[in-house]
Amino acid sequence: NFMLTQPHSVSESPGKTVTISCTRSSGSIASNYVQWYQQRPGSSPTIVIYEDNQRPSGVPDRFSGSIDSSSNSASLTISGLKTEDEADYYCQSYHSSNQVFGGGTKLTVL
Amino acid sequence: EVQLVESGGGLVQPGGSLRLSCAASGFTFSSYWMSWVRQAPGKGLEWVANINQDGSEKYYVDPVKGRFTISRDDAKNSLYLQMNSLRAEDTAVYYCARVEGRWLPYYWGQGTLVTVSS
Repeated sequence: NFMLTQPHSVSESPGKTVTISCTRSSGSIASNYVQWYQQRPGSSPTIVIYEDNQRPSGVPDRFSGSIDSSSNSASLTISGLKTEDEADYYCQSYHSSNQVFGGGTKLTVL
Repeated sequence: EVQLVESGGGLVQPGGSLRLSCAASGFTFSSYWMSWVRQAPGKGLEWVANINQDGSEKYYVDPVKGRFTISRDDAKNSLYLQMNSLRAEDTAVYYCARVEGRWLPYYWGQGTLVTVSS
């Protein structure tokens, strides 16, 4: 099994850009797709990025995803931050017969 | 519109059992893998189990193996999670999710709370 490690929290001002990282502990980050989920307080998770960098319909293009094999990590970048982006964000990936979520990152927009 | 509605949560004593249900609508249920994911109070997401379209493949996270059983009834468009030998650490909101491919939870229900306590 592997782990996905995220920063516990990040904060940034409205209008700025923030990047949340997700580092895979073993195995290549490129070997299986990475997804990103947004969870606002009291709500269910919703997907914002799938298959590393694909955006579901309805998700603003301010959200983008990427992977970096050199650091074995994935990143979620949110540009033009809005107060409504304040939420917990989770990365997710899988291997063989197992899937794993990162520990989550609390994004504060202040 | 895809809808997933979980039910069956509640308060149960340690060692007890509970059966969660997830009613699906708005899509062809029999065509998709399905998943259960849980979230302990104030904690992150933890994958619990996956099941394929005809129920012949089932996968579980290690802490629930031998205690939980995922199943489905395509005639009723329903997903189930039978939970036995419950422990305090199983306390969580349990979400069902429709899966894209085998391992990509895409649509999520609103969750049902399971509390294991004496």
